[in-house]
Amino acid sequence: DSGVTQTPKHLITATGQRVTLRCSPRSGDLSVYWYQQSLDQGLQFLIQYYNGEERAKGNILERFSAQQFPDLHSELNLSSLELGDSALYFCASSVEGLASSTDTQYFGPGTRLTVL
Amino acid sequence: DAKTTQPNSMESNEEEPVHLPCNHSTISGTDYIHWYRQLPSQGPEYVIHGLTSNVNNRMASLAIAEDRKSSTLILHRATLRDAAVYYCILRDGGNNNDMRFGAGTRLTVKP
Repeated sequence: DSGVTQTPKHLITATGQRVTLRCSPRSGDLSVYWYQQSLDQGLQFLIQYYNGEERAKGNILERFSAQQFPDLHSELNLSSLELGDSALYFCASSVEGLASSTDTQYFGPGTRLTVL
Repeated sequence: DAKTTQPNSMESNEEEPVHLPCNHSTISGTDYIHWYRQLPSQGPEYVIHGLTSNVNNRMASLAIAEDRKSSTLILHRATLRDAAVYYCILRDGGNNNDMRFGAGTRLTVKP
């Protein structure tokens, strides 16, 4: 158990809909990262928040957005969903927020999103 | 970003050592070498990291070539629970803290 929790575990929805994925970081961790894992793209970094502020952006679509709340939990919002958005979405947390080449990221169990 | 190359898959017998290679010929002097693994139906988990010297922890050992262009993750006695995809990742801090995962090596452990 990494200490990172994600809800829901599974989500099935239709194209064009909007969903929200939730992540609670490990106690004491200020950074939250979101990753997408699909069969054809592998694990892709989406976005990082540190202590409530956006820190880094990766391959995140404009239809996707995220935020980190004062209690440090984070939500990833996916809108106008397409079939290709079906994937596993992982959240990770770490202590560091600034660029670090040594901090460890702890991953949650993921949310499996299926868009029909 | 400096890239890594790993074999797509490897097999091992239970209770035997496993050596998982990673090539990173364009590594820079400030890049740390990290290894994560992803067990079936789970999120990735940290295994080990190093810069220049060989490193040991309770999970594995990391052997880094003298020129740092390659490294090897060593599992001293593979168990069935070690069956996973192993990712070799270079991190330099730079301006971002994200990790760039490649395809990794799928390790199968046979009983």
